Amino acid sequence: EPEVTQTPSHQVTQMGQEVILRCVPISNHLYFYWYRQILGQKVEFLVSFYNNEISEKSEIFDDQFSVERPDGSNFTLKIRSTKLEDSAMYFCASSQGDEQFFGPGTRLTVL
Amino acid sequence: GQNIDQPTEMTATEGAIVQINCTYQTSGFNGLFWYQQHAGEAPTFLSYNVLDGLEEKGRFSSFLSRSKGYSYLLLKELQMKDSASYLCAFPGDSNYQLIWGAGTKLIIKP
Repeated sequence: EPEVTQTPSHQVTQMGQEVILRCVPISNHLYFYWYRQILGQKVEFLVSFYNNEISEKSEIFDDQFSVERPDGSNFTLKIRSTKLEDSAMYFCASSQGDEQFFGPGTRLTVL
Repeated sequence: GQNIDQPTEMTATEGAIVQINCTYQTSGFNGLFWYQQHAGEAPTFLSYNVLDGLEEKGRFSSFLSRSKGYSYLLLKELQMKDSASYLCAFPGDSNYQLIWGAGTKLIIKP
């Protein structure tokens, strides 16, 4: 069964450093998403991506965040200058329609 | 505005039935989702209701009342592996994002 994959599973970085989180969505899906979940809190929408451009973004998705689909398979989230409060699980998801399929997540820890 | 309310935590006994409620407020309705999330893992899809009524899928059923802004997830024949958080969510205004509830942590006791 096709699934969304994410790498790395864990990432530890120093405050102020750049990180790139990688996702491979399900191959025939057209819509891609990034969500984050701070430990013990609710899942929060960051950004959605369709037809090679951002379709919607939340208030959280400020100038330090960017997304890219560099080739036909990968979908990346870049955080330019990490802050302590960026520590969270970051989930990638993809969909063809209504149901969104989630990847296993990347746990980002900013020290 | 848009809002979702769910109980924070519920406890039930193995083999029993439990109902997890969700109330929501949204200006435009595009369906309601239930996801299961085990600790430290990604949410996994359980159900999607667009029309009023009960939809059954094995041990899990989901109910929706659009006029009341209310949904519930019904879990039957509870198993220990059902211990997880159950998240209620609906698409945002643009339909490109999901708005999530805080989740209900379900604890199953033997």
